[in-house]
Amino acid sequence: DTAVSQTPKYLVTQMGNDKSIKCEQNLGHDTMYWYKQDSKKFLKIMFSYNNKELIINETVPNRFSPKSPDKAHLNLHINSLELGDSAVYFCASSQRVRGPETQYFGPGTRLLVL
Amino acid sequence: GQQLNQSPQSMFIQEGEDVSMNCTSSSIFNTWLWYKQDPGEGPVLLIALYKAGELTSNGRLTAQFGITRKDSFLNISASIPSDVGIYFCAGTNTGNQFYFGTGTSLTVIP
Repeated sequence: DTAVSQTPKYLVTQMGNDKSIKCEQNLGHDTMYWYKQDSKKFLKIMFSYNNKELIINETVPNRFSPKSPDKAHLNLHINSLELGDSAVYFCASSQRVRGPETQYFGPGTRLLVL
Repeated sequence: GQQLNQSPQSMFIQEGEDVSMNCTSSSIFNTWLWYKQDPGEGPVLLIALYKAGELTSNGRLTAQFGITRKDSFLNISASIPSDVGIYFCAGTNTGNQFYFGTGTSLTVIP
């Protein structure tokens, strides 16, 4: 009964490859996010989707493309991976309709680009 | 994007001691959240605050929403070894954009 799940948990790949990370939430939330956490543990938002529509895109290289097939899923595709893309990527979801906002995180995907 | 300032950046305390940390922002929020991140895991929501001046507890944790709406505080009483981790504050107005603090790393010495 995991609330926000991500796959894979670990991803090791070569520079220049294309990879995808998948995220699913079973909370019925209408907003989903992707965050990047660097080695200093800073959490920075990358994208936010509300009901499958992109609402936040924070100065992220266009090699990163989110895709939301439905409001329970938000996948992240990364083209031409670079060394600096190595980080932990967190998916999250929140519900802002009919009540206060709260936000729940997935377990993270640890990406290492060699 | 905006980043909230948390202090202290790190803390080393003896088991049983109380802990206080705070989070400040240059702009106001109408919701403040506190998270804990264990090593190798995602942040877990601890407490949510929705009203200026609100004081909310969750077991040994107590958080307060500052009157100015530009700050929030988290206290942990009688710390135990499993309190170890990184604590993050976050603020939001719209529920679309959550701004996170820089984190407070807590180490509890048995």
